[in-house]
Amino acid sequence: KAGVTQTPRYLIKTRGQQVTLSCSPISGHRSVSWYQQTPGQGLQFLFEYFSETQRNKGNFPGRFSGRQFSNSRSEMNVSTLELGDSALYLCASSLDGVLTDTQYFGPGTRLTVL
Amino acid sequence: AQKITQTQPGMFVQEKEAVTLDCTYDTSDPSYGLFWYKQPSSGEMIFLIYQGSYDQQNATEGRYSLNFQKARKSANLVISASQLGDSAMYFCAMRESGSGNTGKLIFGQGTTLQVKP
Repeated sequence: KAGVTQTPRYLIKTRGQQVTLSCSPISGHRSVSWYQQTPGQGLQFLFEYFSETQRNKGNFPGRFSGRQFSNSRSEMNVSTLELGDSALYLCASSLDGVLTDTQYFGPGTRLTVL
Repeated sequence: AQKITQTQPGMFVQEKEAVTLDCTYDTSDPSYGLFWYKQPSSGEMIFLIYQGSYDQQNATEGRYSLNFQKARKSANLVISASQLGDSAMYFCAMRESGSGNTGKLIFGQGTTLQVKP
């Protein structure tokens, strides 16, 4: 089975711009979660999508949004980029996102905001 | 309050020796899951091992085992026979039960492991 894929792998943007990141889960996985990883804050949960619905959300401003399509592929969008948004964005998929489900991660998108 | 604490920012181990990476957690939820992931310098998080709060036995996966001490709220990862390829960052993570926790892992700050030849 193919693993989780994320595109693009690297992005450079300037402050004020917006960006869209894409994630394709493992075939058959319906839950997709997004995380932000920074040296200062570590790994933080952004949100989770299941069956095209946002089912859970972390403590991030409204500039961070996402969506999921009928084939479970997910995108996340960050509007009005700030310098502090520079991070590695990781997507993870699992069957249902429930307690015992293992999340499998993609390679990440490294976003640099100048 | 930190829910997952990894007190060892960095560790060294000699190749072929065993190493224990510490993880303590804090939750009032009786039902939870504990995960360990490895993150090489490439960035991808690789799943290693899972332990459920109700599991009676410690989890094992190849060279990885989890020393689960529920009363002490600790879930230490033991890597036996370390290899050079084990050099990476290791994260302990927890998922709690309940509808408000679907798809959400809480991570510790990580431990950087370096294996010396």
